[in-house]
Formats: sequence, C-alpha cells, structure tokens
Amino acid sequence: DTEVTQTPKHLVMGMTNKKSLKCEQHMGHRAMYWYKQKAKKPPELMFVYSYEKLSINESVPSRFSPECPNSSLLNLHLHALQPEDSALYLCASSQGGTDTQYFGPGTRLTVL
Amino acid sequence: GQSLEQPSEVTAVEGAIVQINCTYQTSGFYGLSWYQQHDGGAPTFLSYNALDGLEETGRFSSFLSRSDSYGYLLLQELQMKDSASYFCAAPGGYQKVTFGIGTKLQVIP
Repeated sequence: DTEVTQTPKHLVMGMTNKKSLKCEQHMGHRAMYWYKQKAKKPPELMFVYSYEKLSINESVPSRFSPECPNSSLLNLHLHALQPEDSALYLCASSQGGTDTQYFGPGTRLTVL
Repeated sequence: GQSLEQPSEVTAVEGAIVQINCTYQTSGFYGLSWYQQHDGGAPTFLSYNALDGLEETGRFSSFLSRSDSYGYLLLQELQMKDSASYFCAAPGGYQKVTFGIGTKLQVIP
C-alpha cells in the first residue's frame, strides 16, 4: 500500500478565514512533507516532519502552520492567506533520508 | 546545492518511443527519481536509479550515468494517456528533494 490521502480535494476560502488541510498515511513512513505547487512549476518544499518533529521549515510565512499529531497524520493550518497562496498543496511521505517520497492527490486551494 | 535540467516540452506520436533527458549538477548525489503528473493530478512515482544502468518497468525504463551526470526516462509504445508532465528529481541531504522544471509530453495520434 503506497497510498497517501488528503482532504479536502478542493478548498475555497476568503482572506479572513481559518481552514485546515489534512494528510494521512498508513505505510509506517517516518517522514512527512508539505509541498506547494503552482501551475506549470515543480513542487516547492514547505515543511518536513521527521519522527513527528518539525525538521525543516523552508522560510514559509507564519500564515501557514503545520502540525503532526502522530506518525500517520499531518495537518496544515491556514489563516489570513493571500490570493497568491492559491495553489495545489501536496502532502508526501517517505521512510526518511533519501528514500522515495510518495505523494497524496493534493488539495486545490483557491484564496479569494 | 543541486540543479537539474530537462526539456520543457516534447511531442511524440502514439506508438512511438520517446526519451526525456535530465542532466544534473550537485554537490552530493544519491540517485535520480522520475515522477509523472497529469494535469490537475499529483506526482506519481515512476522509478529511482541509485546505480548506473537501466531500470525497466513495463513500457517505462530509466537510465543513469553518474560519470556523465545524466539520466533519462524512456517511454515505449506511447499511448495517449502518457500525455503528462514528467519530473526528474534528486534526493539530497536533510530529506530534501530537488525537482527539475518538468517536461510536458504531448502524445499525438
């Protein structure tokens, strides 16, 4: 089973809203990732969690707040986003290190 | 750091063979991955080459030459559903992965 699930599939929110993206994996992977992808661009790393601890924050604005409640779950809390934050948000997981990352289907986010 | 270069677009005919090249420059290299992404979809892992040589998985093959800092993805017996973007990617230190810009493959009848 190489499945990573994400909810919701689509999200439309205003600039004053607070929402959360959710990601789940049951592959026993110890590393989980959030990426942002704009159209016609490669995925851009935002955060990495390793063994449920935040190990990498790629200088992401504080309006994005990640959370890892346990080894299978990863959340991304959104608050006061800007229209330029509209993108596909991808979750991925891996065994860690240089091991292959497996992506979820993504959440298509639109900020109005 | 790492950088990967791949063509932005490739067009090929249904039933034909197409090769997507990827050259890399890196201070530390562990291997080369390939991902497929259809429009509106998520990247799907295709293959990973840690060692030199050819890896074959059905109609898709991937090749790596560390001495030439070069790899490629070979797609045979192209089908219309193979129209997608293909990313080469290189895992680096600290669990980061560097992606190429992606090659948009258009398969035409």
